[in-house]
Amino acid sequence: EVQLVESGGGLIQPGRSLRLSCAASGFIVSSIPMTWVRQAPGKGLEWVSSIYSGGRTAYADSVEGRFTISTDSSKNTLYLQMNSLRAEDTAVYYCARGSRSSGRDKWGQGTLVIVSS
Amino acid sequence: IVMTQSPLSLPVTPGEPASISCKSSQSLLHSNGDTCLDWYLQKPGQSPQLLIYLGSNRASGVPDRFSGSGSGTNFTLKISRVEAEDVGVYYCMQVLQTPLIFGGGTKVEIK
Repeated sequence: EVQLVESGGGLIQPGRSLRLSCAASGFIVSSIPMTWVRQAPGKGLEWVSSIYSGGRTAYADSVEGRFTISTDSSKNTLYLQMNSLRAEDTAVYYCARGSRSSGRDKWGQGTLVIVSS
Repeated sequence: IVMTQSPLSLPVTPGEPASISCKSSQSLLHSNGDTCLDWYLQKPGQSPQLLIYLGSNRASGVPDRFSGSGSGTNFTLKISRVEAEDVGVYYCMQVLQTPLIFGGGTKVEIK
């Protein structure tokens, strides 16, 4: 069964760093494009970053230079390294798998990040 | 690319049809002929789930009462007969190019 389980969220002070993990099962995480999407409290969905086969990455302007997406094949896990966190990064972060041709067909349950002093 | 959904809120009667519009600021037609638009549903308290990909392809397990149509810059999600389990927020998303952009969402609720 295909499953995605996020972890790593929590309360963090502005300016600090946090790494989110998305453990995948039922498929090989490095073989399918993977995406992070976030949702601020009471708001809509916002694309954050994607990583594609071959390692190409893309980021929203709001996180470019601060966030880094990566995968670890040995752990079959997707990561989002978040540096220089800001209050506006407060959100539930979801990982999702899938490409343009398949849609983002599987989502994790989300992990909440709260950036506050 | 700017994605605009309407309406913001849609009260529906079970058994009746419903329709959600999504407009993009530029064509979502890929050079390979694909229509680069997805539809997602986020039920209350849940993660988003894929309904439709590439404009009109229903995702696995999605009931056939859901259909997607449209081309270029105008797209529609239709529910032929709304059921109580269909409540939630519906989002379109353009997948032609990064940054991937979601529409603002349409909240569907039962009258």
